[in-house]
Amino acid sequence: GQQLNQSPQSMFIQEGEDVSMNCTSSSIFNTWLWYKQDPGEGPVLLIALYKAGELTSNGRLTAQFGITRKDSFLNISASIPSDVGIYFCAGRQGAQKLVFGQGTRLTINP
Amino acid sequence: GAVVSQHPSRVICKSGTSVKIECRSLDFQATTMFWYRQFPKKSLMLMATSNEGSKATYEQGVEKDKFLINHASLTLSTLTVTSAHPEDSSFYICSASTGPRREAFFGQGTRLTVV
Repeated sequence: GQQLNQSPQSMFIQEGEDVSMNCTSSSIFNTWLWYKQDPGEGPVLLIALYKAGELTSNGRLTAQFGITRKDSFLNISASIPSDVGIYFCAGRQGAQKLVFGQGTRLTINP
Repeated sequence: GAVVSQHPSRVICKSGTSVKIECRSLDFQATTMFWYRQFPKKSLMLMATSNEGSKATYEQGVEKDKFLINHASLTLSTLTVTSAHPEDSSFYICSASTGPRREAFFGQGTRLTVV
């Protein structure tokens, strides 16, 4: 089936640093979604992207829908302790089901 | 964003019993709801897609007779794990969408432990 390659799998950074993670696919997607999941909770939607080239911000978070429609990245600026968690990208082709990346586990050292 | 409420958040049941998990969209009508299973430190694995008023579509390898899904209204879907076994212990998460091309919002998840 379809797969998204999300990288890195884990990140260990210092508080205040910027973070960048990305997802790539061999297939074209029409929608890219970025979620954050805290332990024992469901994923929370951070940013939704619907157009190739679209760049969208949500506070300190910025995500872009790649021009080729086969990739997307998420940046977090000036990280803070509450940014700790697992970040998932998800892509969708038209009305098809969401395909999830493997997740990026973010750990922040104070 | 839209709110999806999942209940219960945790449940412990004995082997052989059945457990029902509810997923409600609180402030929007969800034409489509999805049920996922998540293993520790893994990504979400789609189990089935349910559309209001019709039978659920199960992913390959998911036993439809074991994981019964009902989507009787635009705000409620239920997942019933029948004749539960310890290997069914997992984190189950639902999501709801206002349409097939729109964002999906997730419930809080249900931690099922079968003893």
